[in-house]
Amino acid sequence: GDSVTQMEGPVTLSEEACLTINCTYTATGYPSLFWYVQYPGEGLQLLLKATKADDKGSNKGFEATYRKETTSFHLEKGSVQVSDSAVYFCALRNSGGYNKLIFGAGTRLAVHP
Amino acid sequence: GAGVSQSPRYKVAKRGQDVALRCDPISGHVSLFWYQQALGQGPEFLTYFQNEAQLDKSGLPSDRFFAERPEGSVSTLKIQRTQQEDSAVYLCASSPTLGGITGQSHNEQFFGPGTRLTVL
Repeated sequence: GDSVTQMEGPVTLSEEACLTINCTYTATGYPSLFWYVQYPGEGLQLLLKATKADDKGSNKGFEATYRKETTSFHLEKGSVQVSDSAVYFCALRNSGGYNKLIFGAGTRLAVHP
Repeated sequence: GAGVSQSPRYKVAKRGQDVALRCDPISGHVSLFWYQQALGQGPEFLTYFQNEAQLDKSGLPSDRFFAERPEGSVSTLKIQRTQQEDSAVYLCASSPTLGGITGQSHNEQFFGPGTRLTVL
């Protein structure tokens, strides 16, 4: 079945460092891909999305490109801030199965001043 | 406007007790999803409603889990005879569009804050 694999955390960075969180997926057909973020004490929020191959999703300085050839959707940011500290989840949604989301295990990011 | 709300936010139950978790979706949202998030893991799909119809319950882990949405708005997830392995955060999400092959697969699901269930 469909699945998502993302790099294990925690990822610890200094402020202004570059961030990459790897995400790969296995799916039939042409899924939509998402990154969700969970800030401490808050619910899941959609960070960015891409609906077809070569699409780039972006938001709040974060970017991810839908790479069908490598089945990947890596999350990147050029300069992280302390306020980016959170858990990041990669997810996919296929057109079948009533559009349920399939999540990776999450990657915790800690950014220090 | 108001987002998805869930209650209670925290629930402690003794093993064997029944619990009921409530989800208030965004008004007018057709689709409603329940997910289970174990500690340190990503959310896993439990069940899906389109209005009042439960169209997919393939993720419910056992027959002790039951969900309903009788009027197509508020939903309740009930767990009977709770076990320690039921301890998790239960997330509800709603979406304005229909799921399925005729739906718009990229439309966003809006998540509630979750209910953290601890079974002792």
